[in-house]
Amino acid sequence: QKEVEQDPGPLSVPEGAIVSLNCTYSNSAFQYFMWYRQYSRKGPELLMYTYSSGNKEDGRFTAQVDKSSKYISLFIRDSQPSDSATYLCAMGLSGGYQKVTFGTGTKLQVIP
Amino acid sequence: SAVISQKPSRDICQRGTSLTIQCQVDSQVTMMFWYRQQPGQSLTLIATANQGSEATYESGFVIDKFPISRPNLTFSTLTVSNMSPEDSSIYLCSVSGTGGASGYTFGSGTRLTVV
Repeated sequence: QKEVEQDPGPLSVPEGAIVSLNCTYSNSAFQYFMWYRQYSRKGPELLMYTYSSGNKEDGRFTAQVDKSSKYISLFIRDSQPSDSATYLCAMGLSGGYQKVTFGTGTKLQVIP
Repeated sequence: SAVISQKPSRDICQRGTSLTIQCQVDSQVTMMFWYRQQPGQSLTLIATANQGSEATYESGFVIDKFPISRPNLTFSTLTVSNMSPEDSSIYLCSVSGTGGASGYTFGSGTRLTVV
């Protein structure tokens, strides 16, 4: 079993839809959680960083962490064609530098 | 957050040759990280490079195949040696959060094709 599981998609949604992206993990020691967005031929770009259970909102993006279920989500409201990218979840053992474990990424396409 | 310049952005190389990838950061950082991203797979950490010490390699990666240099706090190189088609991948350098930011910043990657 992989430490981090993420549906690779692709996920196609119409413009304006609410998008839900999810990851599950098996290591209960993970303490902080991240979501990255990666456009084609670009490096991953950090979108959200959370260090606790609950929700964190930033504009159209909401990150949700449920440590009891070992489940994290990224919600995108009012999705735009410019949101079309691959979204990677990532998680680490503690603050500061520790090895980060990434999901395989979900490819999202927002159709105008 | 830091800005990372990585080059080359892409290359096509003959098997048996070596390629050196450069990573330049616009601020001083203690640790730099090298990742490999293969199609359909998650980012895999190759090694961690500290300035002034030997790089620390993850399981499955060895110094002879992926030698790393870290001559100062803003620069690192990764060499892919004696390449085979299995080395075709995207290689990314990364630094941990700077200026109070959390998370990790990545370069734009080097897309390597070995023929």
